[in-house]
Amino acid sequence: EAQVTQNPRYLITVTGKKLTVTCSQNMNHEYMSWYRQDPGLGLRQIYYSMNVEVTDKGDVPEGYKVSRKEKRNFPLILESPSPNQTSLYFCASSYKGSRILNTEAFFGQGTRLTVV
Amino acid sequence: AQKVTQAQTEISVVEKEDVTLDCVYETRDTTYYLFWYKQPPSGELVFLIRRNSFDEQNEISGRYSWNFQKSTSSFNFTITASQVVDSAVYFCALSEVSGSARQLTFGSGTQLTVLP
Repeated sequence: EAQVTQNPRYLITVTGKKLTVTCSQNMNHEYMSWYRQDPGLGLRQIYYSMNVEVTDKGDVPEGYKVSRKEKRNFPLILESPSPNQTSLYFCASSYKGSRILNTEAFFGQGTRLTVV
Repeated sequence: AQKVTQAQTEISVVEKEDVTLDCVYETRDTTYYLFWYKQPPSGELVFLIRRNSFDEQNEISGRYSWNFQKSTSSFNFTITASQVVDSAVYFCALSEVSGSARQLTFGSGTQLTVLP
C-alpha cells in the first residue's frame, strides 16, 4: 500500500529537549516536505527536499532541521524545541515533476507535538 | 500578500443544501497547478482534485464540482446536496515555480460543518 508514515503520532516534550519526527515513504518519490498546521494559518511549509542530499527552506524554517540521506526518509529535527513549535506536523511526498509540482501530494497521518 | 486566500473561515449548512467554498490565488507564473484537499475530523489530508493553469474546463465528480476561472484567479469548490460526512476542513493549494523554489502553498482552510 502506498503510504507516508510519520512517527510518533503524538508527542509531549519539554522546552529544549531535542527531538526527531521520522517520515518515510514507499512510493519512490523524489520530493518530500514538512508542513506545520496551526489554527487560522493553514499549512505552512517548513522544509522541502527535491532529492537525496538536496534540501531547502520553506516559509517557516526557523528552529527546524532536516536531512535527506535516503530517498525514502525525511526526518524533521527540533534541536531545542520551544512552546511556539507546538503544532500539528505533516510530512508529504510527491513526484517532483520537471519544473513544478504537478501531481498530488501524499500526506502522512500527522504528528501532534506539544512543547511545555 | 497571501498567495492563496480562502476568505471563508467557517461555513455551516444544513444537510442537502449546496455550498460553495471560495479560493482565490495569486501568481505571476503562467504555468501552475491548483489543488483541493479535504481534512476530515480524523485529521488526515485527502487529495480531491488537481487542475493545471491551461485547463479551464470545469470538473464534476459526483456531488463535487470545481469552477476554475483564470480571469478572476479563482478556483471554487461546490458541494451539491451536502451530507454530514462532508463536514471537514477544506484546503486550496497552489503549486508554482517561483525563483528556485518549487512549493505547494496552502490557503488557511475553510471549516465546513454540515448539520443534520
